[in-house]
Amino acid sequence: TQLLEQSPQFLSIQEGENLTVYCNSSSVFSSLQWYRQEPGEGPVLLVTVVTGGEVKKLKRLTFQFGDARKDSSLHITAAQPGDTGLYLCAGSGNTPLVFGKGTRLSVIA
Amino acid sequence: DAGVIQSPRHEVTEMGQEVTLRCKPISGHNSLFWYRQTMMRGLELLIYFNNNVPIDDSGMPEDRFSAKMPNASFSTLKIQPSEPRDSAVYFCASRQGAILNEKLFFGSGTQLSVL
Repeated sequence: TQLLEQSPQFLSIQEGENLTVYCNSSSVFSSLQWYRQEPGEGPVLLVTVVTGGEVKKLKRLTFQFGDARKDSSLHITAAQPGDTGLYLCAGSGNTPLVFGKGTRLSVIA
Repeated sequence: DAGVIQSPRHEVTEMGQEVTLRCKPISGHNSLFWYRQTMMRGLELLIYFNNNVPIDDSGMPEDRFSAKMPNASFSTLKIQPSEPRDSAVYFCASRQGAILNEKLFFGSGTQLSVL
């Protein structure tokens, strides 16, 4: 079974700070996705990374896929209260998406 | 498009009762997934369908759980009899094709509480 470990589990920061959250596995994934989930809603896809070492930027969010395709990171620059939510990574290999338990981010104004 | 539609949004029932959760995927999507989310275990895949056919139900907890997809626009997840440990948020998601890294579109979920 492919497992994804996310860290930290919880993160509370002030508006304007930078942060990085991590997604790690002992398994190799063919691709990795990041989703954001807000209370009372389902997860919404932010990005998909496919190539080892790939970096994608989405406004203030930077996503990186590890060279060995076993890990990924999400960096947020100058966090805003609107970034608050549960960030989930999900990997696909030879099975449908496997999700990590997520990092619950709270950005305080 | 209206997105993935789930009903009901909330369900409160007593232990032993039958519970049926419903999902309408996005029109034209060929794959449908049922997930369960809890604080302890995160998002767990229960079962998924391609072209209305169940492909993998290894995540279904036990025989009390069953899922059907009678046509391309409707799926149900049934729990009979329900138990308090089934309390969770149940999500339905759909995807256009069968490629594993394609985007999943989630519904808003059904919050199930079994007393």
